[in-house]
Amino acid sequence: DTEVTQTPKHLVMGMTNKKSLKCEQHMGHRAMYWYKQKAKKPPELMFVYSYEKLSINESVPSRFSPECPNSSLLNLHLHALQPEDSALYLCASSHGRFANPADTQYFGPGTRLTVL
Amino acid sequence: KNEVEQSPQNLTAQEGEFITINCSYSVGISALHWLQQHPGGGIVSLFMLSSGKKKHGRLIATINIQEKHSSLHITASHPRDSAVYICAVSGIPDSWGKLQFGAGTQVVVTP
Repeated sequence: DTEVTQTPKHLVMGMTNKKSLKCEQHMGHRAMYWYKQKAKKPPELMFVYSYEKLSINESVPSRFSPECPNSSLLNLHLHALQPEDSALYLCASSHGRFANPADTQYFGPGTRLTVL
Repeated sequence: KNEVEQSPQNLTAQEGEFITINCSYSVGISALHWLQQHPGGGIVSLFMLSSGKKKHGRLIATINIQEKHSSLHITASHPRDSAVYICAVSGIPDSWGKLQFGAGTQVVVTP
């Protein structure tokens, strides 16, 4: 199984809503990532978890709150988002410790988020 | 300044043509990655290179470490190859395992 799954595929939310994005992998990978991608731009790294611990927070606003309940699951909790947060949110995972730059990252299909 | 430059930004080819996408980087790296993103989102990792050449089906990726340059070639292109191709590097000093992305090349293959 070389798949990273993400749910939901699409999400529309108001600025006062609270919602969560979910990412799952069963490849035994120990590093998991959240990226944000705006149209016609490359992905931007948001968070990295390595061995279920938050390793990197790229100065992401606190209205985005990541959580890694176990080694297979990664959540992104959303609260009080702004319209400019509308984007494709991609999850990825890689085999070993985050600090290994020679690991391939496996990406999920993404969640298309629209904030009204 | 982006440390990863891709060219061209856009490319249109007729089915069957040979396609080349170039990627240049300005710092020492551990690995270079070629990624493919179809409309609708998901990213697929095509190759990870640290030296030489790799081939998978109709795709060939090469890297020249001394010249800090990589190319992705698509032979006998097909409309299903239409996608954005992204070059990314990892192992940049002080950036851990982060990927530094190029801007991407939009490829359209017409029948």
